[in-house]
Amino acid sequence: QSVLTQPPSVSGAPGQRVTISCTGSSSNIGKGYDVHWYQQLPGRAPKPLIYGNSNRPSGVPDRFSGFTSGASASLAINGLQPEDEADYYCHSYDSNVSGSVFGGGTKVTVL
Amino acid sequence: EDQLVESGGGLVKPGGSLRLSCVGSGFTLSGYSMIWVRQAPGKGLEWVSSISPSSSYLSYADSVKGRCTVSRDNPRKTVDLQLTSLRVEDTGIYYCARRPGELAVFDLWGQGTMVTVSS
Repeated sequence: QSVLTQPPSVSGAPGQRVTISCTGSSSNIGKGYDVHWYQQLPGRAPKPLIYGNSNRPSGVPDRFSGFTSGASASLAINGLQPEDEADYYCHSYDSNVSGSVFGGGTKVTVL
Repeated sequence: EDQLVESGGGLVKPGGSLRLSCVGSGFTLSGYSMIWVRQAPGKGLEWVSSISPSSSYLSYADSVKGRCTVSRDNPRKTVDLQLTSLRVEDTGIYYCARRPGELAVFDLWGQGTMVTVSS
């Protein structure tokens, strides 16, 4: 059971918009700690996709965007591409754990 | 190019020990906190341990506390994770990652090293 809750899977056709939710609590996202997102392609190490809630590292396409509201965060992928098929993880800090926590991961399938 | 390379994984029996290493190149290791994250087969990411730039602050997940020791050698650009009293549930890929600031994103990851705990 992950401290941050994500849907196990989402899917969409090429060109569509999909969103992935990340639900936390008052000891992590709700306390104002930043949320970061990672993309993990099959057989590869995770790669940072969004940092500090809504910022994209250099090289990440602008079809990826991040949002936070209260104790939740969301990752949106606009104009879904076949190469976006991957697992996506949210990450934050939790004051009860006194360490980092991850969501359980969401598998994105491009139909 | 900034890079992290892990080593030291392998097959070990329950109750055994293993020492994982992570070497950084292309950047000054002493400027960063370093993190260990693991991933059980087919499962999600789990934070394991963190070490501050000067080793003054160490932290561990409850799942490994008391069985795990993180250390670093900045001049040699290495970060180690000593795992003892290993359990079957410790099986997975162990990744080393870099964190550029307090509570910041893990901005650079190694390719991981596989640890299998099995009799």
